[in-house]
Amino acid sequence: DTGVSQDPRHKITKRGQNVTFRCDPISEHNRLYWYRQTLGQGPEFLTYFQNEAQLEKSRLLSDRFSAERPKGSFSTLEIQRTEQGDSAMYLCASSAWDRELTMRRDGYTFGSGTRLTVV
Amino acid sequence: DQQVKQNSPSLSVQEGRISILNCDYTNSMFDYFLWYKKYPAEGPTFLISISSIKDKNEDGRFTVFLNKSAKHLSLHIVPSQPGDSAVYFCAASATGNQFYFGTGTSLTVIP
Repeated sequence: DTGVSQDPRHKITKRGQNVTFRCDPISEHNRLYWYRQTLGQGPEFLTYFQNEAQLEKSRLLSDRFSAERPKGSFSTLEIQRTEQGDSAMYLCASSAWDRELTMRRDGYTFGSGTRLTVV
Repeated sequence: DQQVKQNSPSLSVQEGRISILNCDYTNSMFDYFLWYKKYPAEGPTFLISISSIKDKNEDGRFTVFLNKSAKHLSLHIVPSQPGDSAVYFCAASATGNQFYFGTGTSLTVIP
């Protein structure tokens, strides 16, 4: 297993277009998270899944954003009618949810992110 | 509302010396803390964690200290190496689900 994979690495889109990102977590991890990071800031939580269930969503996740994890494996994040303010790095992370396991070296494992630029 | 703060945006240290990165938090419910390192164009890489039942955790050259009464944690890197040059983020969670990140400290280790 090579870790958390995100595709694409970079996406440039025109304002008003829809975009979709994909995240493939570490295979044995049952939790998957989406974060957004803008320049000069730390990652901000968007949403997370345990298996296929979306358990929590941030108020940052407007109705233009939707995330799915249909089979409890990979996840997609779609942004509809993109705006320039959506330009950011979108990070995916996964973890094996077990309170004790999260104490180990693994922690969360992040992917390399998808950098979105809305022009 | 920034619940996790890293007040030093940058830090420069000579190779071989100690690097100390600081982090403050406001939410007393936070009970699990992480440090991440990030290189440009890459996702954050997990370094070390600590839970609120401990006040210190070591892993090789990296040690994290937690002062719950002061709501403060620090990351010590000894000895610092040029490859440690990166942006370091601390993160905190009350539930283990959502983590709140600081804005990062850019560490430069001078050879």
